[in-house]
Amino acid sequence: QVQLVQSGADVKKPGASVKVSCKASGYTFKDYGISWVRQAPGQGLEWMGWINVYNANTNYAQKLQGRVTLTTDTSTSTAYMELRRLRSDDTAVYYCARFHSRGYSPAHWFDPWGQGTLVTVSS
Amino acid sequence: QSVLTQPPSVSGAPGQRVTISCTGSSSNIGAGYDVHWYQQLPGTAPKLLIYGNSNRPSGVPDRFSGSKSGTSASLAITGLQTEDEADYYCQSYDSSLSDSVFGGGTRLTVL
Repeated sequence: QVQLVQSGADVKKPGASVKVSCKASGYTFKDYGISWVRQAPGQGLEWMGWINVYNANTNYAQKLQGRVTLTTDTSTSTAYMELRRLRSDDTAVYYCARFHSRGYSPAHWFDPWGQGTLVTVSS
Repeated sequence: QSVLTQPPSVSGAPGQRVTISCTGSSSNIGAGYDVHWYQQLPGTAPKLLIYGNSNRPSGVPDRFSGSKSGTSASLAITGLQTEDEADYYCQSYDSSLSDSVFGGGTRLTVL
């Protein structure tokens, strides 16, 4: 079955960087893109960006431009999300999800999702 | 403040029908972009419930249905069950932001 398995929880100090991994299985990795979504404690969902696994094109949320980088390693079917210059309000559960689209519409939908990775930013 | 507006909470008794609204604007839902819905059970990752306004992925019961009109969309749940207690999120695309956007989420309580 299609599955996305993420790396474990991490604790970082303000100003540091974090890199979360997302290993895909059960499908041809290059056939679908990967999006990242985060959820602060007790809050809603926030889209962070997507990567086209086939050609490595990326698109990032305006709010995170310059601090986030999405990459993939097709040899291991793994996607990565790196967030730099961490602040306390970056404390959240980070999710990867396979995205789908109707033709070339940018209104992607996300299915399935990884189990989530809690990143805590604290001094 | 979310770009898509949802009621913070809704409730219903077992067996009843509830609807959750998702209100956008001319740069997202009103521009014709599809709306998708997710269910998030406590302590778990979101799960796709409806895609493309009204399509159910395989395995999602037909008690769940979606619709869209103008600048709004709705998720309807019939025959409420206790296991439907969860947070529900709508999602679309906003051309002004060039971002995917989520609603703020609605907590469903089954009384």
